[in-house]
Amino acid sequence: DSGVTQTPKHLITATGQRVTLRCSPRSGDLSVYWYQQSLDQGLQFLIQYYNGEERAKGNILERFSAQQFPDLHSELNLSSLELGDSALYFCASSVGWLTGELFFGEGSRLTVL
Amino acid sequence: AQKITQTQPGMFVQEKEAVTLDCTYDTSDQSYGLFWYKQPSSGEMIFLIYQGSYDEQNATEGRYSLNFQKARKSANLVISASQLGDSAMYFCAMRVLNRDDKIIFGKGTRLHILP
Repeated sequence: DSGVTQTPKHLITATGQRVTLRCSPRSGDLSVYWYQQSLDQGLQFLIQYYNGEERAKGNILERFSAQQFPDLHSELNLSSLELGDSALYFCASSVGWLTGELFFGEGSRLTVL
Repeated sequence: AQKITQTQPGMFVQEKEAVTLDCTYDTSDQSYGLFWYKQPSSGEMIFLIYQGSYDEQNATEGRYSLNFQKARKSANLVISASQLGDSAMYFCAMRVLNRDDKIIFGKGTRLHILP
């Protein structure tokens, strides 16, 4: 158990819908990262937050948004969903900024039908 | 731009043999860190080992060691005495330590350990 909690574990929805993925980092970790892993692909970096502030942005679509709350949990919002958004979405946390290894949650598997 | 390249999409290795998984990286920065992660078929991401760019010794963690060749920009993972449970996807990743905290991953190598 990495200590990072992601909900929901599985989600099936239709095209055009909106979903919210939630992540609770390990106790004491201030940084949260979001990654997308499509079938048989590597991990694509989406966005990173440190202590509530966005610090790094990757190839995140405009239809996607995220935030980190004062209690350090984070949410990734995916809207106007398309079939191609079907993927495993990982949240990871690390102790600080530019330091510490990433501890990953189990992922949220999104299926868009 | 930073980039991680893993040139072996898949490997088959006999149990108990040593395995080397290749990773090359590209960055113009001097301060960076390199990671290896394991992803079994169950899907979770497991941290294996870390090497800092200024670390003089190659990192080791149990059966895992990182063969760090800075001049060649390579950070190969060596698994000694492979076990059936080592069958998994392995990802190399890099964090540059003087800009945004964007940790990028390679496409991975799928390792199959044969009995």
